[in-house]
Amino acid sequence: DAMVIQNPRYQVTQFGKPVTLSCSQTLNHNVMYWYQQKSSQAPKLLFHYYDKDFNNEADTPDNFQSRRPNTSFCFLDIRSPGLGDAAMYLCATSRTRLAGEGVQFFGPGTRLTVL
Amino acid sequence: EDQVTQSPEALRLQEGESSSLNCSYTVSGLRGLFWYRQDPGKGPEFLFTLYSAGEEKEKERLKATLTKKESFLHITAPKPEDSATYLCAVCRDGGFKTIFGAGTRLFVKA
Repeated sequence: DAMVIQNPRYQVTQFGKPVTLSCSQTLNHNVMYWYQQKSSQAPKLLFHYYDKDFNNEADTPDNFQSRRPNTSFCFLDIRSPGLGDAAMYLCATSRTRLAGEGVQFFGPGTRLTVL
Repeated sequence: EDQVTQSPEALRLQEGESSSLNCSYTVSGLRGLFWYRQDPGKGPEFLFTLYSAGEEKEKERLKATLTKKESFLHITAPKPEDSATYLCAVCRDGGFKTIFGAGTRLFVKA
């Protein structure tokens, strides 16, 4: 089955220790997104890739970076995690980013804990 | 600024007790409104897209409707397996970003 896979499902890191989260997709979608979701809150878009074109949200901290080496994979790098970065990180894909037509397919998420 | 507000924050129902979830939105030029279901510890799963006022879509016990200011997700005779968080999201005409609401947590007791 075509799907979005995230690894690891749970990640524990220490304050200030860099961490990388991984996302892969078998849907062959052009667009990949990274969201941050804290408990009982709306998913917050961090950035998205349209093919190789990187689009950062204006309020995404510089501490968050992303790489998309090919169509299938996308990584989220948190350079110096703080306690406030503890959250669920969701990867999503869509065939198109055209407004209203980009139904998004989400992975299961990575739960990040910062000690 | 585009905004999505969902109410109630949490809803507890008995099995078979029908109800509705509300999504109020403020967006300049709605291109599409989405409903997603999110189970605990999992990513959201797509349910419906609505494009214009008056549109309705149904899937099993769920029916989504849309007006110019809000959308409703009606749940008819819910079962315990319908327990989840239901997220509403909007896309603005000409935009690329999907704005999500915080969701309604639905609990259905047998």
